[in-house]
Amino acid sequence: DQQVKQNSPSLSVQEGRISILNCDYTNSMFDYFLWYKKYPAEGPTFLISISSIKDKNEDGRFTVFLNKSAKHLSLHIVPSQPGDSAVYFCAARHGGGADGLTFGKGTHLIIQP
Amino acid sequence: DAGVTQSPTHLIKTRGQHVTLRCSPISGHKSVSWYQQVLGQGPQFIFQYYEKEERGRGNFPDRFSARQFPNYSSELNVNALLLGDSALYLCASSLGLALYNEQFFGPGTRLTVL
Repeated sequence: DQQVKQNSPSLSVQEGRISILNCDYTNSMFDYFLWYKKYPAEGPTFLISISSIKDKNEDGRFTVFLNKSAKHLSLHIVPSQPGDSAVYFCAARHGGGADGLTFGKGTHLIIQP
Repeated sequence: DAGVTQSPTHLIKTRGQHVTLRCSPISGHKSVSWYQQVLGQGPQFIFQYYEKEERGRGNFPDRFSARQFPNYSSELNVNALLLGDSALYLCASSLGLALYNEQFFGPGTRLTVL
């Protein structure tokens, strides 16, 4: 069963607009959530994270929102830039800590000029 | 400063063969984790090693094994290869055990099993 779900395989957004990427999870033991960005032929690069005790974390153009009751998080990118075109993975850490990160399948974000 | 390096970049094997993948962490990083990324899926956790000891294991068969050396580099070994083992194998290093934002990924090794 998939514990971290990214239901949109791809998303197309115009340059300058807001990009919103969504992620749902099922395991209530997850205590930390991360977003990674991946370009082709490169490994994932850390983008932003949020602890389960917070509901928002902001870093420049990137903001992550966490709704624990809905088991939902979202990544907002504003304004979107061409260099943001990449695959974005949502990942979660189990409170026990020994099981690595659990990743979603990813969303391919395409920024249109 | 060099990032996480992995070798080889690409590898083609046949079913039943054995493969060894290598990873060098960022200088000063003592923890190495291995992930398997099958096409169309997110990375899936295989192992974490810290200070040469296995500290975490994902849901993979015993055909998968790993080790960490005194210089903190690591090897992932897969025996009796199956077609389903074809994937991108990612190595990530971090300073310590915590699997937070300080985890840095290498470019991966693309394994194709024929």
